[in-house]
Amino acid sequence: EDKVVQSPLSLVVHEGDTVTLNCSYEVTNFRSLLWYKQEKKAPTFLFMLTSSGIEKKSGRLSSILDKKELFSILNITATQTGDSAIYLCAVAHVQMKTSYDKVIFGPGTSLSVIP
Amino acid sequence: DAGITQSPRHKVTETGTPVTLRCHQTENHRYMYWYRQDPGHGLRLIHYSYGVKDTDKGEVSDGYSVSRSKTEDFLLTLESATSSQTSVYFCAISTTGLPYNEQFFGPGTRLTVL
Repeated sequence: EDKVVQSPLSLVVHEGDTVTLNCSYEVTNFRSLLWYKQEKKAPTFLFMLTSSGIEKKSGRLSSILDKKELFSILNITATQTGDSAIYLCAVAHVQMKTSYDKVIFGPGTSLSVIP
Repeated sequence: DAGITQSPRHKVTETGTPVTLRCHQTENHRYMYWYRQDPGHGLRLIHYSYGVKDTDKGEVSDGYSVSRSKTEDFLLTLESATSSQTSVYFCAISTTGLPYNEQFFGPGTRLTVL
C-alpha cells in the first residue's frame, strides 16, 4: 500500500533552535516530493524535489531528497514564532491506469516555536 | 493566492441532506482537486478534474460526486450528508499545467454534519 509517514508528529522548540522534520514514503513509480506549510488556513507550497542530493533552499528553510532510502528532510534554522505551523509532506507518483499522477499527503508535523 | 475561492466558507447541515460546495478559479488552469482534511489523516483526495467534464475519483470518493461544466468552476456534492463527512474541504489547482507539480489551495470550507 502506498503511504507517506512523517515524524515527529508534533514538536515544540524555542526560538533560535534548528529543527529537522522527516518524511519517508513507500510508493510505486515515484515522481516528486512536495513540502507545504499550513498555518490556520490553507496549505502553502514550499518545495518540490525530484532528484536525490540536490538541496532546495528558501531563506532559513531547506530540504533534500534521498530516493535510494526513500525519505526527505526539511530543515528550519534559527526558528521564529512565525514558523509555528503544520508541515505537510506529499508524494506524487505515476498512476499507470489513469492520466493523473496521484498525490498522497502525510499526516503532517505540528511545529510550535515558543519565545 | 492563485485566484481560488470557495463557497460557502462555513456550513452546518443535517444528516441526510444534500450539500454542494463550490470552487472557483479566476485563471484557466486545467487541473482542479477536492480534498478533505481530518486530524491525523493529512489531506485526502476526493475527486479531481483534468478538464471540462473530465473528472475522476480519488482515494475517498464514496458519498461524493463532482461536476465541472466550466473551466473555472468545480463543484463537490455530498449526495446525502453523513456525520463522517464533517471535515474541512479544500479545493486546489495546479498552476503549471502538470498534475504532479505544486498545487495551490483555496481557503477551505468547514462543514459540520449534525
